[in-house]
Amino acid sequence: DIQMTQSPSSLSASVGDRVTITCRASQTGNTYLNWYQQKPGKAPKLLIFAASSLESGVPSRFSGSGSGTDFTLTISSLQPEDFATYYCQQSFSIPWTFGQGTKVEIK
Amino acid sequence: EVQLVESGGGLVQPGGSLRLSCAASGFTFRSYWMGWVRQTPGKGLEWVSNIKTDGTQIYYVDSVKGRFTISRDNAKNSLFLQMNSLRVEDTAVYYCARHGSWSFDYWGQGTPVTVSS
Repeated sequence: DIQMTQSPSSLSASVGDRVTITCRASQTGNTYLNWYQQKPGKAPKLLIFAASSLESGVPSRFSGSGSGTDFTLTISSLQPEDFATYYCQQSFSIPWTFGQGTKVEIK
Repeated sequence: EVQLVESGGGLVQPGGSLRLSCAASGFTFRSYWMGWVRQTPGKGLEWVSNIKTDGTQIYYVDSVKGRFTISRDNAKNSLFLQMNSLRVEDTAVYYCARHGSWSFDYWGQGTPVTVSS
C-alpha cells in the first residue's frame, strides 16, 4: 500500500498569509494525487486533482504541484473560509489512500 | 445539480449486518464509477470500495474483503454497500462518492455506522 504523509499536521495562520502543505508518498504516485478540503460536520470537497488541476468552481488562490513522491498544496492568500482540514489522496494504485490531514487554524 | 444521499446507517451489534444505500441524481449515474469512503476520528479518511459503471470491476480495501459487498442499480440510480460480520473498528461515517478524474469529485453527506454491544 502507498502511505501518504502530510506535513504539518496542523498550522496556525492569519488571513492573507501564504500557506503551504506538503504530502509525501511512500512510493511514486505519478501525478495521481488529489487534494480535498473538509470543514467540521461536512463531507470532503475536491480542490485539486491530478496534482495540479483546479477543480471547477474552486478559487484560483488554491494551487497544487509535484509529481512522483512529493506534492504541495498552496493557498496564496488565506481567506476566512479556508480554515479547515486538508487531505491529500493518491489514486495511483489500489488501495487508494489518504494522508492524515492538515488542520489550518486561525492565528 | 449533482446530489448523493446516503441512508441505512445506524447502531448494530458486532457480527451484525447493515445495508447502506446511496441515491444519486443530477447526473448520468450509469456513466460514472462510484465508491464508498469512511471516516473515523482515529484513522481519518479511508477508501473502502470502488465499482465500475457496469459493475464488472470492483475493488475493496483489504480490511473489508469477504465481509462487504458493493453493488449498483443503474436503472434506479442507486449505489449500495452490504456490510456483514461488522466489527467495532467498522464504526465510522460512510460517504458515497462519485469518481471524477481519478478522484472523488462529489460526495454525499455521509451516514453514521456504529458497531457496539
